[in-house]
Amino acid sequence: NAGVTQTPKFRVLKTGQSMTLLCAQDMNHEYMYWYRQDPGMGLRLIHYSVGEGTTAKGEVPDGYNVSRLKKQNFLLGLESAAPSQTSVYFCASRKDSTYGYTFGSGTRLTVV
Amino acid sequence: AQTVTQSQPEMSVQEAETVTLSCTYDTSENNYYLFWYKQPPSRQMILVIRQEAYKQQNATENRFSVNFQKAAKSFSLKISDSQLGDTAMYFCAFSIYNQGGKLIFGQGTELSVKP
Repeated sequence: NAGVTQTPKFRVLKTGQSMTLLCAQDMNHEYMYWYRQDPGMGLRLIHYSVGEGTTAKGEVPDGYNVSRLKKQNFLLGLESAAPSQTSVYFCASRKDSTYGYTFGSGTRLTVV
Repeated sequence: AQTVTQSQPEMSVQEAETVTLSCTYDTSENNYYLFWYKQPPSRQMILVIRQEAYKQQNATENRFSVNFQKAAKSFSLKISDSQLGDTAMYFCAFSIYNQGGKLIFGQGTELSVKP
């Protein structure tokens, strides 16, 4: 049972480039989330999904898009990367709102 | 606004001693869940302990326990018999029931356990 898998684990982008981060979970969880972690700011919610085909904005959605075409996958896209998007990105999933999250191992993204 | 505040950016404790990490939160909702997560240098987020707001009894998990004061909106974590492996960043978080399960995190407390 792999849990939550994020790919890639590390990436360096040039300003203006685009990329997609993939999150996959094999626990049949309904809820999935994308967070970013920056020093001194904890984890901040970017976008989330409460089920296949649904997405919603979190606290810091600007510059990001997401899709949940399949229940097990939640994709985070950066259309035109900016240095301010340099961060560690975490995906998480949850069975329902009463359970704790299962986190992926994170993606360290650097935009130069 | 719903917020979580961890007022101790850094703490240290001697091995085998007890340490308490502070957390306060703000919400007008009545049904919510509180969590403490641990993030060691490996970067993996690990659930330490969970508390339902409707339960008055404080949650415990082995050496970890909480002091939940609902009226004061306080949720502190006590680590007993600290071990070197407890060295990590600790995050306090809460989620409101039926609001998409979104977790709201505090800024974190970096705990160092010294031999």
